[in-house]
Amino acid sequence: EAGVAQSPRYKIIEKRQSVAFWCNPISGHATLYWYQQILGQGPKLLIQFQNNGVVDDSQLPKDRFSAERLKGVDSTLKIQPAKLEDSAVYLCASSLGAGDYGYTFGSGTRLTVV
Amino acid sequence: GQQLNQSPQSMFIQEGEDVSMNCTSSSIFNTWLWYKQDPGEGPVLLIALYKAGELTSNGRLTAQFGITRKDSFLNISASIPSDVGIYFCAGVIQGAQKLVFGQGTRLTINP
Repeated sequence: EAGVAQSPRYKIIEKRQSVAFWCNPISGHATLYWYQQILGQGPKLLIQFQNNGVVDDSQLPKDRFSAERLKGVDSTLKIQPAKLEDSAVYLCASSLGAGDYGYTFGSGTRLTVV
Repeated sequence: GQQLNQSPQSMFIQEGEDVSMNCTSSSIFNTWLWYKQDPGEGPVLLIALYKAGELTSNGRLTAQFGITRKDSFLNISASIPSDVGIYFCAGVIQGAQKLVFGQGTRLTINP
């Protein structure tokens, strides 16, 4: 089966610019997650979707980050405006359902804010 | 804040040696998982544990769900060069539904 697809793989932007990341989960996976992984740290959950509804966005900096999963399949994560501390790898993961913790991760998008 | 303490942060070993790493917390966990991350890739699930005391193997890897439910251990036997990477523990805290990750253990193997 195809894995979790993410694009772009790399992005370099200047601070205060905007950026968007795209994720296509494994077919049939109802739950989708966006994680932020800062260099040298473990992934940190930003937002969790169950189909097209938000389950947990408690750690999403909502003043600058937004995410949507309009049709319950693909998802986009946006940062506007970006700050230097947003430099990180943004990982998308999916699972069959909310109680399935064997997530499948994509390869991530490495964001560098200069 | 930091909920999982993973140690050691890094390991430098000789090929063929056994490896041990662990994760501890002050919280009680319902589920423990171990992931491996290669450079430029996302984490890949190695082993999942669902019951206190559970011992599960995946090839040369063995993981255990601690009896207290506050810790987990991963052992790799007879290490080979492809074991190089960063190993993460992750867990689901009792009463919560999200996965939290440790800081990772970077494994380097000298041939």
